[in-house]
Parts: sequence; structure tokens; C-alpha cells
Amino acid sequence: ETGVTQSPTHLIKTRGQQVTLRCSSQSGHNTVSWYQQALGQGPQFIFQYYREEENGRGNFPPRFSGLQFPNYSSELNVNALELDDSALYLCASRRGTSGRGGGYEQYFGPGTRLTVT
Amino acid sequence: AQSVTQPDIHITVSEGASLELRCNYSYGATPYLFWYVQSPGQGLQLLLKYFSGDTLVQGIKGFEAEFKRSQSSFNLRKPSVHWSDAAEYFCAVGGKKIKAAGNKLTFGGGTRVLVKP
Repeated sequence: ETGVTQSPTHLIKTRGQQVTLRCSSQSGHNTVSWYQQALGQGPQFIFQYYREEENGRGNFPPRFSGLQFPNYSSELNVNALELDDSALYLCASRRGTSGRGGGYEQYFGPGTRLTVT
Repeated sequence: AQSVTQPDIHITVSEGASLELRCNYSYGATPYLFWYVQSPGQGLQLLLKYFSGDTLVQGIKGFEAEFKRSQSSFNLRKPSVHWSDAAEYFCAVGGKKIKAAGNKLTFGGGTRVLVKP
């Protein structure tokens, strides 16, 4: 148990719809990252939020957007869903501190399985 | 650009036998290296990490990994495999940034380990 929770566990949507996934960070963690893991592949970095601001983005289109709230919980929003968006979406939190190795461990939640039909 | 290669997609090993999973990385600076394990339908659990210092690092569940800068490798080993070690294993690379916040992880494609009785 990492203390990172995600909801919902599973979700089925239709192509063209919009979806919101939620993540609750581990206590004391102010940085959250989102990853997409397609079937049979490693996770791919979507973006990261630190103190409510986007702080790094991977190679994903603008229809993937996010929010981080003052309590450091986070949302991932995907608009205009496509079939290829079907994947496990993982949220990871960490302490955004400097120093030798400090805060670079990311703790992952169990993920949300999104199926787009 | 940073990248990770896990050359073995599947490995089958007998229970009690030793296991070695290969990981090669590309990173333009001093890398931070991680091994994660993922059981079916689950999120990622951190096995071990390397930031600096001793190049042989010990992790949980009896795993260890050795960082070899000259070979750009970070191979994972376990002397005696248990049936519960059957899972998918991911190697990941990240790096230190000047800003306190933010550092994405780049994952390899994963190695699926099957354990024979």
C-alpha cells in the first residue's frame, strides 16, 4: 500500500466522450505525475503537477489536461476520447524536495483501467 | 533524450533458480535508476533504486541490482525465485533537476517473468 488512491477502478467510455480520472496523493506529497500504460507496454509520462502548476509534459496532445488542488489531489481529463486512449492510467506522487535523492521516489496508485469503445 | 531498453520480453524460470533481468539505459547526465514490479491488474511497486554511491543496491523481496556506468546497465537479480515473483518488471530512469520539483520517469517495455513449479 503506497497511500496513493485512484478512482474509479474501471471505466468504459464511448469514442468522442470526455473522462475525468482522480488521484489522491500520499500524505505529505506535493508533486503528482500521470502515466498512461497501454496493454503490454511500459508506462508513458503524460504530465506532472507541482504545487498546482503543470511542471513537465510528455508527448501527449492538449486534449489531455490536468488539475492539482490545494490538498494536492489531482485530476486527469481527457477530451474527445479515441480508441487508442484505452489503457491503464497511473498516478504517482512524490515529495518535491531538493537534495541528494530526496523526493525522487515516486509512489504509484493502483491505476484506473479505461476502455474506449 | 532518455530511454530504457529491456531486451527480454518474457523470461521463464524454475522456482528456486536464480533470475537476472537486463536493463540498458540512455541518459545524458547522472541517472537515477529504478526497478518496479507490477502484478496483474495492479499498480507499480518500487523494488529498489540507485541514486549514487555503492553500485550494488539491495531492495525488497530479496532483489538486488548492479549499476554499471561503463555498460549503461542496471540489471536486476534474485538468487532464488519464489512462485510469488511471477509478475512484470519495469526498469526506469530519471534524473536530478535543479528545480526542486519535477522529474519524469522513462520506463522500459517490461519483462514478464513466469515461474515454473
